[in-house]
Amino acid sequence: ETGVTQTPRHLVMGMTNKKSLKCEQHLGHNAMYWYKQSAKKPLELMFVYNFKEQTENNSVPSRFSPECPNSSHLFLHLHTLQPEDSALYLCASSHLALPSYEQYFGPGTRLTVT
Amino acid sequence: GENVEQHPSTLSVQEGDSAVIKCTYSDSASNYFPWYKQELGKRPQLIIDIRSNVGEKKDQRIAVTLNKTAKHFSLHITETQPEDSAVYFCAAFPNDYKLSFGAGTTVTVRA
Repeated sequence: ETGVTQTPRHLVMGMTNKKSLKCEQHLGHNAMYWYKQSAKKPLELMFVYNFKEQTENNSVPSRFSPECPNSSHLFLHLHTLQPEDSALYLCASSHLALPSYEQYFGPGTRLTVT
Repeated sequence: GENVEQHPSTLSVQEGDSAVIKCTYSDSASNYFPWYKQELGKRPQLIIDIRSNVGEKKDQRIAVTLNKTAKHFSLHITETQPEDSAVYFCAAFPNDYKLSFGAGTTVTVRA
């Protein structure tokens, strides 16, 4: 369907679990992003990777740990999460050049922390 | 950093009427303003964007206007149809690889 895929699509985890979210883009983009989408709130940017280097960390708690091994793959490692971390986690990618900075989103991972 | 405010948070319109969503931004360095549409259970997708050197842009039934002096921009949907029902997000791009999004507007088109 699109060039950005995410797995798993749904995840239920306990507060003591460790899990990882995976994102993959096949668009040849050079920037990748993690967003958190909670009900009634703006999309919250968590991490930005530009040419595999992390350029932004918006004061995200250390229980979220990103990894970008190459420009096509992005992971979000989760450890000892809290119930308030339950949300839709969206990955996006873009090509940081004109004429468009359009971000292409993946389908998201619906995370529930019990 | 950039702060984007979006109004209204919900909007209900009769099919065939127009819908208008307004956003303001704070960083005068922002130069790119996209609008994303997110249908229920789906990912956000870009529907239209405008750059700071343009005051208005139109694509069929949707149009966006930008007032740089006042730091606000708007989305206009004319002749609304049921498939226009979705959450719409505005965003501003202050040229540092980050998009700052508004809180979203839930648009419901009544048949």
